[in-house]
Amino acid sequence: DAMVIQNPRYQVTQFGKPVTLSCSQTLNHNVMYWYQQKSSQAPKLLFHYYDKDFNNEADTPDNFQSRRPNTSFCFLDIRSPGLGDAAMYLCATSREAGTSGNNEQFFGPGTRLTVL
Amino acid sequence: RKEVEQDPGPFNVPEGATVAFNCTYSNSASQSFFWYRQDCRKEPKLLMSVYSSGNEDGRFTAQLNRASQYISLLIRDSKLSDSATYLCVVKGGGFKTIFGAGTRLFVKA
Repeated sequence: DAMVIQNPRYQVTQFGKPVTLSCSQTLNHNVMYWYQQKSSQAPKLLFHYYDKDFNNEADTPDNFQSRRPNTSFCFLDIRSPGLGDAAMYLCATSREAGTSGNNEQFFGPGTRLTVL
Repeated sequence: RKEVEQDPGPFNVPEGATVAFNCTYSNSASQSFFWYRQDCRKEPKLLMSVYSSGNEDGRFTAQLNRASQYISLLIRDSKLSDSATYLCVVKGGGFKTIFGAGTRLFVKA
């Protein structure tokens, strides 16, 4: 039973053409995260939502935006993809975000983005 | 210095071997620690959380050394299916989550 679902699994876009990646969860977790992972590198946190509260990492480019219309769904918008944005984009959820427990993150299968 | 550092490997071991990975972290205020496993072109999957007292799950044992700021993962009786990249994850207070770049393990028959 899929718990964190990402669509599409593969996305091809053209340089500068906006693209939206989708994530949904059936876990009813409070926190949703977006990571970018390039080949042979660690996943890099872009931003996250705690419920409706948006938290951007300091070094996330303005080109990346996110929306969370409800608990279940979260979107990653790339306004003007560049060649350097080609990567795997991973969505993750956790029940809580603190350090007192329930903060394990569960990942979706990822969307592999290609920029032509 | 990276916030979370791992030996990238690869570690090449025969089936049945015991293998250990270390991970060091720079922020002494870090509170939560995890090991994830990531197969090629797949998402990371939680292997185990790491507790101060150490914890064991079958063939896997995780240890935390706060004084030296490192965590370890021990895999006993390696199986072919253990071949993967093992990611060390460190959380500070709140939301900040840092992944190591991973250690690649190849288990061979």
